[in-house]
Amino acid sequence: NAGVTQTPKFRVLKTGQSMTLLCAQDMNHEYMYWYRQDPGMGLRLIHYSVGEGTTAKGEVPDGYNVSRLKKQNFLLGLESAAPSQTSVYFCASRPRDRAYEQYFGPGTRLTVT
Amino acid sequence: AQRVTQPEKLLSVFKGAPVELKCNYSYSGSPELFWYVQYSRQRLQLLLRHISRESIKGFTADLNKGETSFHLKKPFAQEEDSAMYYCALGQNSGNTPLVFGKGTRLSVIA
Repeated sequence: NAGVTQTPKFRVLKTGQSMTLLCAQDMNHEYMYWYRQDPGMGLRLIHYSVGEGTTAKGEVPDGYNVSRLKKQNFLLGLESAAPSQTSVYFCASRPRDRAYEQYFGPGTRLTVT
Repeated sequence: AQRVTQPEKLLSVFKGAPVELKCNYSYSGSPELFWYVQYSRQRLQLLLRHISRESIKGFTADLNKGETSFHLKKPFAQEEDSAMYYCALGQNSGNTPLVFGKGTRLSVIA
């Protein structure tokens, strides 16, 4: 039982490049989330999903897209990376009946130059 | 609107001293409050929730609805308590995501 995993762990992009971050969970959780963590800003919700095939915007969705084609996977895409998107990205998941019990992934450190 | 405020970005205390990490919230309904912790090079994890009223690693937190606060306390800080602490506000039902504060970095000095 790996819990929540994220791929890749680190990535450096040039401005304008695109990439996809993969989040996978093996706990059969319905809800999944993408956050970014920046110094002094805490955790900010980018997008989330309440089930397979559904997504919703969070606090800071601009510049990102997501997809949840399979229940266990939640993909975060950057179509045209900008230096402002340099951050640590965390994925989380939770079961439907326990709103407090979010399980976090190890994070992806992204640098955009 | 739901909001969580953690007024201190950084809190430094000496080993053995009491610790209080402040958290205030704004919410019109019946709140559920939580503390999450992130130790160095580890992933974020749930530390405790107000409804359980338990002590985890010596930490306790009491929900004060009158003052809309959920401060995290420990009587004697240990070096291993050094970490980033996030207060979070949510509901135990429905789809609304947790709202996190900006976090407080606790540094326990030997």
